[in-house]
Amino acid sequence: DSGVTQTPKHLITATGQRVTLRCSPRSGDLSVYWYQQSLDQGLQFLIQYYNGEERAKGNILERFSAQQFPDLHSELNLSSLELGDSALYFCASSVRVGDPKGTGELFFGEGSRLTVL
Amino acid sequence: AQSVTQLGSHVSVSEGALVLLRCNYSSSVPPYLFWYVQYPNQGLQLLLKYTTGATLVKGINGFEAEFKKSETSFHLTKPSAHMSDATEYFCAVRGRAHRGGSNYKLTFGKGTLLTVNP
Repeated sequence: DSGVTQTPKHLITATGQRVTLRCSPRSGDLSVYWYQQSLDQGLQFLIQYYNGEERAKGNILERFSAQQFPDLHSELNLSSLELGDSALYFCASSVRVGDPKGTGELFFGEGSRLTVL
Repeated sequence: AQSVTQLGSHVSVSEGALVLLRCNYSSSVPPYLFWYVQYPNQGLQLLLKYTTGATLVKGINGFEAEFKKSETSFHLTKPSAHMSDATEYFCAVRGRAHRGGSNYKLTFGKGTLLTVNP
């Protein structure tokens, strides 16, 4: 158990809809990362937050947005969903309070599998 | 910027044989390197990592990897494959911190699926 919790584990929705994926990082971790995993694109970095602030942006579509709340949990919002958005979305966390450089690795949740029909 | 190339999307070995999964990286700064394993319907789990110091690093489940700067490689090996090793493996790279330690995204390779034949 990595200590990172993601909900929901599975989600089936229709094109054009909007969904929210939630992530609770490991206790004390300040950074949250979102990744998308699909068969054709592999693991793609979407966005990173550190202590509530956006720190890095990757291949995140404009239809997608994220935020990190004061309690450090994060949400990834996906809107105007398309068939191609079907994927496994991972949240990861790192960088403990008081250990700003960390040990380098990310701790991953089990993912949220999104199916768009 | 960093990138990772995993040579071979699928590697097949016999049980008891040597496992060798190849990873080459590109990084504009000295890298941190990682191998993760992903079991079906699970998240990614860290196998091992190289940060500084000894270039041969040992991880869980008998895996090890050697950082070779001259070859920009970080290949993963295990002397004797077990059936339980059959799953997908990902190599990842991260640049050294240069923004106060808060920018740590990993760049992953496309993964290598390891099958182990009895």
